[in-house]
Amino acid sequence: SYDLTQPPSVSVSPGQTASITCSGDKLGDKYVSWYQQKPGQSPLLVIYQDGKRPSGIPERFSGSNSGNTATLTISGTQAMDEADYYCQAWDTSTPVVFGGGTKLTVL
Amino acid sequence: QVTLKESGPALVKPTQTLTLTCTFSGFSLNTSRMRVSWIRQPPGKALEWLARIDWDNDKFYRGYLRTRLTISKDTSKNQVVLTMTNMNPVDTATYYCARTDYDSGTYWFDSWGQGTLVTVSS
Repeated sequence: SYDLTQPPSVSVSPGQTASITCSGDKLGDKYVSWYQQKPGQSPLLVIYQDGKRPSGIPERFSGSNSGNTATLTISGTQAMDEADYYCQAWDTSTPVVFGGGTKLTVL
Repeated sequence: QVTLKESGPALVKPTQTLTLTCTFSGFSLNTSRMRVSWIRQPPGKALEWLARIDWDNDKFYRGYLRTRLTISKDTSKNQVVLTMTNMNPVDTATYYCARTDYDSGTYWFDSWGQGTLVTVSS
């Protein structure tokens, strides 16, 4: 099966840039999506196809994917961005796989 | 506006069969390229995709759960139903349904229901 690995936690100061990574074998050959999940809420799609933003998602959210690592970048991080973030990819063997999630703390 | 809502029992006993219904609006599963998936999340843990049904009634399941899962649709009611047999305490989770989009060889989930917590306990 195909696995995606995320750091359990990332901390960032308000106004700074947060980077959350997602690693997998030849991940750059696949498309990656990212979801934001706040406590008690459903996941929210913030990035799809590596770097596309759905309507309504702020421009401070961006994504990239190359080699074995995809990265979600939040520029000018705000307190409201504190949440769990999950990466997701599609693989013929699974076929949908999620990463283990990263807790973003804004402090 | 796309909305989805899950419904089903909050508590099931071990070995019982779970039946969950996803009622949606804002799109139709009669429309080409429309898809709905079920995804679950055990308390404090990560998301896990379970199954998907497409507009043309193609069905896909997570491999190790294939023998326990059945997904179906009722397009007249705008509903997708998931059944999971032989429930076990490890199946305790919040179960979500999500509209599933596709392009260029990949899938993503662009709208999610609020989720329904299912506890498996005797």
